[in-house]
Amino acid sequence: EVQLLESGGGLVQPGGSLRLSCAASGFTFASYAIYWVRQAPGRGLEWVSVISGSGGSTYYADSVKGRLTISRDNSRNTVNLQMNSLRADDTAVYYCAKAAPPGGKGVYYATDVWGQGTTVVVSS
Amino acid sequence: DIVMTQSPDSLAVSLGERATINCKSSQSVLYNSNNKNYLAWYQKKSGQPPKLLIYWASTRDSGVPDRFSGSGSGTDFTLTISSLQAEDVAVYYCQHYYSIPFTFGPGTKVDIK
Repeated sequence: EVQLLESGGGLVQPGGSLRLSCAASGFTFASYAIYWVRQAPGRGLEWVSVISGSGGSTYYADSVKGRLTISRDNSRNTVNLQMNSLRADDTAVYYCAKAAPPGGKGVYYATDVWGQGTTVVVSS
Repeated sequence: DIVMTQSPDSLAVSLGERATINCKSSQSVLYNSNNKNYLAWYQKKSGQPPKLLIYWASTRDSGVPDRFSGSGSGTDFTLTISSLQAEDVAVYYCQHYYSIPFTFGPGTKVDIK
């Protein structure tokens, strides 16, 4: 069964840091891009970042560029999202999701499998 | 950036009736070299992760009931639920994946009348 499991969320003060992880199983991990999408309380879905299957390409939403860094370890089937200089408006449930088949080198895919999400609260 | 808009913001439909949601992109998401529209539809229920319903604008994801269908091309797209069931109460989002950033529409809330 294809699964994604996020971890690392929690309460952090403004300006602080947090590292989210997404552990994958049930598919050829290195063949698929992984995405992060968030949903702030009472708001819609916001695309945050994506990393290609090889890890060679990464992209970010303007709202997080320079503060969040996405990376992956294909030997451990894990994607990380390092979050620095956190702000109150980063408060959200963060989901990781995998590219829909056929996958491949690129990132231009819909996302067919999602984790349950991890909650980040930025507050003093 | 491509801006996605959806209409209506919300709708209430009787059980068994048709629900239609529209999505418009600020520029075309049709990639001419492969003739594919880089447009997906997701269903989001409270407390659950989003669920992919439709990708490439009209391809139903595996296991998605055939009452869900997607249509459109270029900048104008539609998600149709042909016969609304109680379990379809949710917020529906369109998203393009044509260019970075892969923006979502604001969502359309579907309820039972």
